[in-house]
Amino acid sequence: DIQLTQSPSFLSASIGDRVIITCRASQGISSYLAWYQQKPGKVPKLLIYATSTLQSGVPSRFSGSGSGTEFTLTISSLQPEDLATYYCQLLNPITFGQGTRLEIK
Amino acid sequence: QVQLVESGGGVVQPGRSLRLSCVASGFTFSNHVMHWVRQAPGKGLEWVAVMSYDGSNRYYADSVKGRFTISRDNARNTLYLQMNSLRPEDTALYYCARDPAVFVVVVAAMGAFDLWGQGTMVTVSS
Repeated sequence: DIQLTQSPSFLSASIGDRVIITCRASQGISSYLAWYQQKPGKVPKLLIYATSTLQSGVPSRFSGSGSGTEFTLTISSLQPEDLATYYCQLLNPITFGQGTRLEIK
Repeated sequence: QVQLVESGGGVVQPGRSLRLSCVASGFTFSNHVMHWVRQAPGKGLEWVAVMSYDGSNRYYADSVKGRFTISRDNARNTLYLQMNSLRPEDTALYYCARDPAVFVVVVAAMGAFDLWGQGTMVTVSS
């Protein structure tokens, strides 16, 4: 089975910072990756699908990239409302990363 | 309003059964692949099951295979999850989730989730 490992598991950053979350696969993957944002007490929200395509309505400060075994979610300029846990997800077979909790300093 | 509304959760003893429902509105439910995803308290997301748009194919996570059954009634815009032989480790918030894929017959445990319900809590405890 393919495992997805996110790093870091916890991240504290300041408003305006560039934030990068990495998702590493235990083996090379040919399927797409998605990223979700889950704010405290809320339902997960799809941010990015097909590795780098921004879901409609998601701010352009979010971007995704990667291939093979390493994928990244980048927030170009952190905003207060970005406080959340972020999950990567492999589309085939469905597998989630363990999550990255993002705190605002 | 585009939404998914789950129901049917509750507290149940180990070994018992429970049936979850998810009613869709505001979009053409019968066109979409649908999933169940769960989240144990304080934990991450775990995919549970997927069903093709027409109910023809379904796949399960290994952790629930043989115990859970996903089904749908497109005439009623409703997705179901029949959970049998429940275990304490099944305790979680169960989300119904829409896949952006339409008119797809799934051939594996595959997909993504572009619309989520609010979830229904299942607690398995004696």
